[in-house]
Amino acid sequence: EPEVTQTPSHQVTQMGQEVILRCVPISNHLYFYWYRQILGQKVEFLVSFYNNEISEKSEIFDDQFSVERPDGSNFTLKIRSTKLEDSAMYFCASRREGVGEAFFGQGTRLTVV
Amino acid sequence: DQQVKQNSPSLSVQEGRISILNCDYTNSMFDYFLWYKKYPAEGPTFLISISSIKDKNEDGRFTVFLNKSAKHLSLHIVPSQPGDSAVYFCAASGGSGNTGKLIFGQGTTLQVKP
Repeated sequence: EPEVTQTPSHQVTQMGQEVILRCVPISNHLYFYWYRQILGQKVEFLVSFYNNEISEKSEIFDDQFSVERPDGSNFTLKIRSTKLEDSAMYFCASRREGVGEAFFGQGTRLTVV
Repeated sequence: DQQVKQNSPSLSVQEGRISILNCDYTNSMFDYFLWYKKYPAEGPTFLISISSIKDKNEDGRFTVFLNKSAKHLSLHIVPSQPGDSAVYFCAASGGSGNTGKLIFGQGTTLQVKP
């Protein structure tokens, strides 16, 4: 069964450093998303990506964040200068055309120290 | 701005009985609702969904009910099994320029006791 894969599973970084979280969405999906979940809180939408551009972003997704689909398979989230409050689980998700459910990856736990 | 609310943080039921998880929403533009199940250190796993044009959708042991006038949906699990123990998230999407983004509730931790 196709699945969304994310790497790494856990990333520890120093405050102020740049991190790149990587995702391989399901191959025939056209919509891509990043969500995050701070410990003990709900899953929050960050950004959606369609047709090689951002289609929507939340207030959380400020200038420190960027997304890219560098080739036909990878989808990345970059945080330029990490802050302590960026520590969270980050989930990538993808969805096919039309109405339907999004499939989530297993997540990357980002710890900023 | 809690557009999707799950007011019960936890629920405990006996194996074989029915589990009922509830969810309320405030945005009348939502037209698609989903339930996800999540284990610790894993991503949300899709369970079942319902479009706003329906009031019920069933898949095996799982049934989702939608009451649009009350802006309320519920997930019924019958019969409940110990393997159902997890956090359940309600999510909604819709509105103008819909990109398919999901707005999640806070989650309800279900414990099914053997």
